Formats: sequence, structure tokens, C-alpha cells
Amino acid sequence: DTEVTQTPKHLVMGMTNKKSLKCEQHMGHRAMYWYKQKAKKPPELMFVYSYEKLSINESVPSRFSPECPNSSLLNLHLHALQPEDSALYLCASRPSGGGNHEQYFGPGTRLTVT
Amino acid sequence: AQSVTQLDSQVPVFEEAPVELRCNYSSSVSVYLFWYVQYPNQGLQLLLKYLSGSTLVKSINGFEAEFNKSQTSFHLRKPSVHISDTAEYFCAVRRDTGNQFYFGTGTSLTVIP
Repeated sequence: DTEVTQTPKHLVMGMTNKKSLKCEQHMGHRAMYWYKQKAKKPPELMFVYSYEKLSINESVPSRFSPECPNSSLLNLHLHALQPEDSALYLCASRPSGGGNHEQYFGPGTRLTVT
Repeated sequence: AQSVTQLDSQVPVFEEAPVELRCNYSSSVSVYLFWYVQYPNQGLQLLLKYLSGSTLVKSINGFEAEFNKSQTSFHLRKPSVHISDTAEYFCAVRRDTGNQFYFGTGTSLTVIP
């Protein structure tokens, strides 16, 4: 299995809703990432987990709450979002240690906040 | 922090013509360099990477990129483009330590029939 999967593909939520995005990989990668991407823009780093511990939080608002329950799974919990949070949310993973250094991206979740 | 510059935000090119997408980076330490491609409504896919060794790296679909340390560049080239190459291309760097990737602003390549 050489892919990163993300569910759901599309999500529409109101500003008072609570929802979660899910990311899964079974490649044994120990670094996992959440990115936010607006149209025609590069991915913006939100969070990095390394060995299931949060290692980077790019000053993301608390309405986004990441969770890494195990080495294969990464969640992003959403609460009280704003319309400007509408974007493509990308998950990525990367092997730790020497050798391979690139990230493997999932297809993304298209989020619309109404 | 590293910075990555992609000077060309949009590049239109005719089918079967050559193309070069430019990428320059600034870093005082060793970095790894990557080109990613993103087709509409999809995630990013790795196109090429430079980690060490030969400065010219090639992909299976005809793209190549050359690492130039003195000019801190990693330009992407293809001698003859296809319609299917129409996509957004991102250059990225990562330090040899740490987990963070730094992306350029992207170049939108449009291949015209």
C-alpha cells in the first residue's frame, strides 16, 4: 500500500458544526502533515506530527485541533469555522530517518464553510 | 527559514514546444529540492527530487531538472510538452534536518493545442 487516503472527499459545514477530517497511511511513515491550500496557491503548513507527537504548529487558530491516535492515522477536528476556512485540506506523510525524503500527499478534502 | 521563488506564475506554451519553469531558493545550509505537480482537484504528486549526487535528475515522463548550487536554482525543463502536462507546478525545499518543507508560489503551466 503506497498511498495516503483522506476522507471525506468533500465536506460542507455550517459555522456552528463540529466535524473531523481523516487521513490514513500504511507505509510506516512516522512524520505526518496537515496543509491548507487555497485555489492557485501553494500549500500552507498547519501541523506536523513526528512519531505521533506534535512537532510543529504554525500558529493555527484553535478552531482546528489535530490528533494523531496512532502511527497510521491523523485527524483534524473542526469546530466553529469561518467562511474563510473554506479550502482544500491536504494530508501528507514522509518516512523518517535517512533515505527517502519526499512527502506523499493524499488527494485532499474540499471543505466549504457556509 | 528557507525561501523559494518561482518567478513565473503562469506559463502558456504550445504543444510540442519546450518549456522551462524556474525555481530559485535561498538557504545557507544544505537542502533537498523537489518539484511537485498538481492536477485540478487533486493532491500534489512528486515529479522530481534532488537529494545528492548527479545534479541532473530526470522523471519517467520526460521532465528533467538541474541543481545549480552556485546559482541556488533548480529549474524544471521538458523538451516537448503535451496537453496532459497542463497543471500547477510547485518547487519545494527541505533542510537536511527537520521536517518542514518550504514551497514556492507555484507556476501554472498551460499547454495550448
